Amino acid sequence: AQRVTQPEKLLSVFKGAPVELKCNYSYSGSPELFWYVQYSRQRLQLLLRHISRESIKGFTADLNKGETSFHLKKPFAQEEDSAMYYCALKTGANNLFFGTGTRLTVIP
Amino acid sequence: DVKVTQSSRYLVKRTGEKVFLECVQDMDHENMFWYRQDPGLGLRLIYFSYDVKMKEKGDIPEGYSVSREKKERFSLILESASTNQTSMYLCASRGTGESQPQHFGDGTRLSIL
Repeated sequence: AQRVTQPEKLLSVFKGAPVELKCNYSYSGSPELFWYVQYSRQRLQLLLRHISRESIKGFTADLNKGETSFHLKKPFAQEEDSAMYYCALKTGANNLFFGTGTRLTVIP
Repeated sequence: DVKVTQSSRYLVKRTGEKVFLECVQDMDHENMFWYRQDPGLGLRLIYFSYDVKMKEKGDIPEGYSVSREKKERFSLILESASTNQTSMYLCASRGTGESQPQHFGDGTRLSIL
């Protein structure tokens, strides 16, 4: 069965420090992974998807099939990065399976 | 820009009541979804629909039903609300095509007393 694990419920870093939000997955098919973000009082929105290989707001995420991971990274955290982050695995044509989320707090 | 609108931001109902949560999207998307969001549990899929009058159970369908009579509208129904259904409910829609993202509404915070 598919599984998405985000081991950290809470993560605090200082402004300007590197940040890494961990995501591990378990899936027998070909994985397609996403990071979603929810800022305070805003709706959940797509941050980035592995297939695009893009950098959004300074964040990147590389799919590592050997380690079954899709960690989200940013070299220098900003206060506006404080939010709830969800890793999601697409299974089948329509299903998105979400992790339990990590709340990131960037300390000024 | 895709707009997914949920009819209520906050809703308070009593145990045993029949509750309707409404969701409308304006992008002619085929796929629509209902999730509930709980602390420590993340988002869990209740039901989704890939076309008018079509529906599929998600991971936690018990106690819920859905209706998709028109393409733009997807309703979540709690037949007889219970206190363990107090939660944040999120609606999402998605177009067809590879790697299309899901677009979410603002959510409805439902409290069952």
